[in-house]
Amino acid sequence: AQSVTQPDIHITVSEGASLELRCNYSYGATPYLFWYVQSPGQGLQLLLKYFSGDTLVQGIKGFEAEFKRSQSSFNLRKPSVHWSDAAEYFCAVGTTNGDKLIFGTGTRLQVFP
Amino acid sequence: DVKVTQSSRYLVKRTGEKVFLECVQDMDHENMFWYRQDPGLGLRLIYFSYDVKMKEKGDIPEGYSVSREKKERFSLILESASTNQTSMYLCASSSWTSGNNEQFFGPGTRLTVL
Repeated sequence: AQSVTQPDIHITVSEGASLELRCNYSYGATPYLFWYVQSPGQGLQLLLKYFSGDTLVQGIKGFEAEFKRSQSSFNLRKPSVHWSDAAEYFCAVGTTNGDKLIFGTGTRLQVFP
Repeated sequence: DVKVTQSSRYLVKRTGEKVFLECVQDMDHENMFWYRQDPGLGLRLIYFSYDVKMKEKGDIPEGYSVSREKKERFSLILESASTNQTSMYLCASSSWTSGNNEQFFGPGTRLTVL
C-alpha cells in the first residue's frame, strides 16, 4: 500500500540557517510527489511537485526538493530560512486510485530569530 | 488562479446538531475532496467525488455524508455532530486534465462541537 512518512514531527532552526525536511514514501512505480505548506489557521499551499524529468525540483519561496528513487525519498530543502517560513509542511504522494493524495503526518517548523 | 472557498472559517455547534460544511471551486474541476486534519494525524480523507451526484468513501467516512448536486459545489454533512468530530476540515479540488493528482485547497473550517 502507498504511504508517506515524515519522521520529524517538529523542527526548530535559527533564522538564516539551512533547512532539510525529510519525506519517505512507499510506492510501486514512479510516484507523483508534492510538498505543501500550511501557515497557522490557513489551508494548504503547494510549494512544489515532481512527476517526471529532473529529479531536483524548484518551488516557490526559495524551496527545492530532490527525488531519490534509490532511497524512496523526496526531501525538502531551503538554504536560508526566514522567520516567515514557520509553518507546517506536508509531503504527499499521488495514488493510482483516481486522483487521490496520501499525506504524511506533517512537520512543524519553528524559526528562532 | 484556482479558488476554493469554504463557507465558514470557524463554526461552533452542539452535540446532536446537523452540520453542513460547504465548499465551492471556480475552476470547473471534476474532482473534489473533503479531509479532516488533526494534530499528529495529518490529513485524512473523508469523502471524495469525481462527478456530479457521484461520491466515494475515503478512509474515515463514518459519521459523515456528502452531497454534490452541482459540479462546483461539494457539501460535507455531519448528520448528528459529536465532540470527536471537533477538527479542522479542508476541502480540495483537482482536475483529471492535470494528469498528476495536484489538489488545490480551501482555507479550512475549524469546527468545534460542544
